[in-house]
Amino acid sequence: GAVVSQHPSRVICKSGTSVKIECRSLDFQATTMFWYRQFPKQSLMLMATSNEGSKATYEQGVEKDKFLINHASLTLSTLTVTSAHPEDSSFYICSAPGQGGNGYTFGSGTRLTVV
Amino acid sequence: QQQVKQSPQSLIVQKGGISIINCAYENTAFDYFPWYQQFPGKGPALLIAIRPDVSEKKEGRFTISFNKSAKQFSLHIMDSQPGDSATYFCAASIIGNKLVFGAGTILRVKS
Repeated sequence: GAVVSQHPSRVICKSGTSVKIECRSLDFQATTMFWYRQFPKQSLMLMATSNEGSKATYEQGVEKDKFLINHASLTLSTLTVTSAHPEDSSFYICSAPGQGGNGYTFGSGTRLTVV
Repeated sequence: QQQVKQSPQSLIVQKGGISIINCAYENTAFDYFPWYQQFPGKGPALLIAIRPDVSEKKEGRFTISFNKSAKQFSLHIMDSQPGDSATYFCAASIIGNKLVFGAGTILRVKS
């Protein structure tokens, strides 16, 4: 079945630095990628939707200059957390729509800890 | 109108019992209703999903009941096992578009 590979699975970074998270669709072309953030004991909240070859669409309240999304190819979407702060520490998960209306495929998530 | 309301927030069930989690939605354009299971530190895993043209779908011990007129759907876990202890999320979408998630239900199955 469809697989989305997400890396890294865990990252610890210093406050003020930037972190890049990658999601690759391994056996299908993902023209769209959804990026979610999940704080402890909370639900998944959509941050933005990336579309191959065009600008990402951000949800209300999400800073587009802080969370840079690039979807330069049909198999790769990236999320860069710029100038990270401790409050950005969270679980970040990507998801792509399945083929032929067949649901959604989720990455395994990235646990970001900013110290 | 994009909200999906999920209840209960937490649930304790005896081993072998039935776990029931409910969700309600507002957007009548939604046409895809999945349930996800999530273990700590892992991404959500699809359990079962239903489209609005059927009222019930069963896969093993998991059943979705769907009431289109009431805009509600529920997950039933039969013969609940300790290994089912996890957080469960309902969600809804217009297929191919963004998923809207419920708040989640923490299920604990006591052995």
